[in-house]
Amino acid sequence: SQQGEEDPQALSIQEGENATMNCSYKTSINNLQWYRQNSGRGLVHLILIRSNEREKHSGRLRVTLDTSKKSSSLLITASRAADTASYFCATVAGYGGSQGNLIFGKGTKLSVKP
Amino acid sequence: ETGVTQTPRHLVMGMTNKKSLKCEQHLGHNAMYWYKQSAKKPLELMFVYSLEERVENNSVPSRFSPECPNSSHLFLHLHTLQPEDSALYLCASSQDRTGSLGNQPQHFGDGTRLSIL
Repeated sequence: SQQGEEDPQALSIQEGENATMNCSYKTSINNLQWYRQNSGRGLVHLILIRSNEREKHSGRLRVTLDTSKKSSSLLITASRAADTASYFCATVAGYGGSQGNLIFGKGTKLSVKP
Repeated sequence: ETGVTQTPRHLVMGMTNKKSLKCEQHLGHNAMYWYKQSAKKPLELMFVYSLEERVENNSVPSRFSPECPNSSHLFLHLHTLQPEDSALYLCASSQDRTGSLGNQPQHFGDGTRLSIL
């Protein structure tokens, strides 16, 4: 079953604006990962946030985690056209036969217009 | 570059053909994965190998057959595929199998775009 679900499905902004993407998940997690996928390419790991962390920064990326609401957000500040990509959150299945496997959502497709 | 190389990048094959997808990682990782990515669907995990041993077979049809001859190489052998198998097939690796802690980032190749005629 799908663990992470991103929102919105698509987001279009102007260069220089901030982009916020959200991820909701269903079961308890130890940590959550965010990935980016450019068109026709593989996924690239962006950031991992542990369940005991509330916020994490990496360059222009800011990730928050609210375990009480089972949600995470990815903020890209001062967006650039090169940020145009799909963004996925991933959590780990912690039960049953899929224990230990990363479960990805459908992603948010971000378009940054110059 | 991510350190994970997939070949070919594009493949068109008929339903009766036999072909193989290749993945090679130069990161010294112990775990490798095959994923299927179809339009408007979440990434689907197909197979997991840890230290060259298959540890996960996610209810994948037998027309897909994985092979991991060593920790750096992973193959996906294809035969008598169906049109619904057309998708982007992604290979990934991680230092060790992700595990229940989920603390292993995965490194992906750029995939093979497969089209079944």
